[in-house]
Amino acid sequence: AQKVTQAQTEISVVEKEDVTLDCVYETRDTTYYLFWYKQPPSGELVFLIRRNSFDEQNEISGRYSWNFQKSTSSFNFTITASQVVDSAVYFCALSEDFNKFYFGSGTKLNVKP
Amino acid sequence: EAGVAQSPRYKIIEKRQSVAFWCNPISGHATLYWYQQILGQGPKLLIQFQNNGVVDDSQLPKDRFSAERLKGVDSTLKIQPAKLEDSAVYLCASSFPLRGGNTGELFFGEGSRLTVL
Repeated sequence: AQKVTQAQTEISVVEKEDVTLDCVYETRDTTYYLFWYKQPPSGELVFLIRRNSFDEQNEISGRYSWNFQKSTSSFNFTITASQVVDSAVYFCALSEDFNKFYFGSGTKLNVKP
Repeated sequence: EAGVAQSPRYKIIEKRQSVAFWCNPISGHATLYWYQQILGQGPKLLIQFQNNGVVDDSQLPKDRFSAERLKGVDSTLKIQPAKLEDSAVYLCASSFPLRGGNTGELFFGEGSRLTVL
């Protein structure tokens, strides 16, 4: 069965702090894809990144970085030097075929000035 | 490029009333999804269309929910009669065809927030 767990319901940090959002997944497939989406107060989920199961290289994009570890079935997301605009709900998701997507329950990030 | 359009953004109804939500996906996106997002939870798939055919509606409460995608473009989700537990945000998403440069990215609309009193 497929499952995505985001154990952190809500995190509060002060601007410029680094913050890591955790994501643990379950799947029986050897090929799968992991995603992170951002949901700002406007409500629209915005795609941040996709990771393939066969590519364990970590990725950095500006202040964002992602750590994918198959050994622990985790795909964590780190924001360096957080900003108020990073305040949102972040969702981790899993797909085995680009057809069905399984979302975690989300982590609400509050970045205070 | 225009994004996924949804309407209405907000709707308040009494229980047992009916409501309909509309979604217009990004042009050329063959796959359309309706998700239900209850406060504090992640999106839960209600129904998935590929063009105008249903791919997956296993999670759709068919005694009260219905959806259609005539002509394979825009889609309507209806709830009749509504229950208190239907209070949620209804998100529409679309994606490229599986063999059309699909990166797996879902494009979401801003959602329709339903409150059932």
